[in-house]
Amino acid sequence: SQQGEEDPQALSIQEGENATMNCSYKTSINNLQWYRQNSGRGLVHLILIRSNEREKHSGRLRVTLDTSKKSSSLLITASRAADTASYFCATDPGANSKLTFGKGITLSVRP
Amino acid sequence: KAGVTQTPRYLIKTRGQQVTLSCSPISGHRSVSWYQQTPGQGLQFLFEYFSETQRNKGNFPGRFSGRQFSNSRSEMNVSTLELGDSALYLCASSLSRVVSYEQYFGPGTRLTVT
Repeated sequence: SQQGEEDPQALSIQEGENATMNCSYKTSINNLQWYRQNSGRGLVHLILIRSNEREKHSGRLRVTLDTSKKSSSLLITASRAADTASYFCATDPGANSKLTFGKGITLSVRP
Repeated sequence: KAGVTQTPRYLIKTRGQQVTLSCSPISGHRSVSWYQQTPGQGLQFLFEYFSETQRNKGNFPGRFSGRQFSNSRSEMNVSTLELGDSALYLCASSLSRVVSYEQYFGPGTRLTVT
């Protein structure tokens, strides 16, 4: 079963707007990662946030992690048409355990 | 540095046949994981290899197997193919799984079973 559950399942916004995606998980984690996948291709790692971190930035990306609520959010600011993709959160329980992906969020950015 | 490569990129097989997919990780990466991605089930973990040893296995039948070679290259094999095995098979490599590292994915192999 999926550890991470993203919401919404689909998001459509206008270019220039911000996109916020959420991920909830069930068990304790060592870190949480966000990945992007362009249609039918491999996943690209976006950002990793460790369990002792609350917020992390990378370019136009901002990720927050609330371990008490077992949730994370990914914010993409000033979205571009090229941001159109599926976004996945993945939870890492720690050593010798597998990385578990959610079902993903489909983001469409309209030019 | 060259990225993760997977061969072949596309494959069409018939029910009952077997198939072998190959993955070459990024140079220096010793951990290789395999995933199956379908529209209905999403990304499902198949197995992970580190230093030629299987360290984790997902909930897939025994028809799915894999191995890793001393140069960290990995192969996965599916025997007695079923229609439901049609999927995008993704391989990912990382430096290590003992310490938390991001995974680098290959472009995938699109397997169609007819």
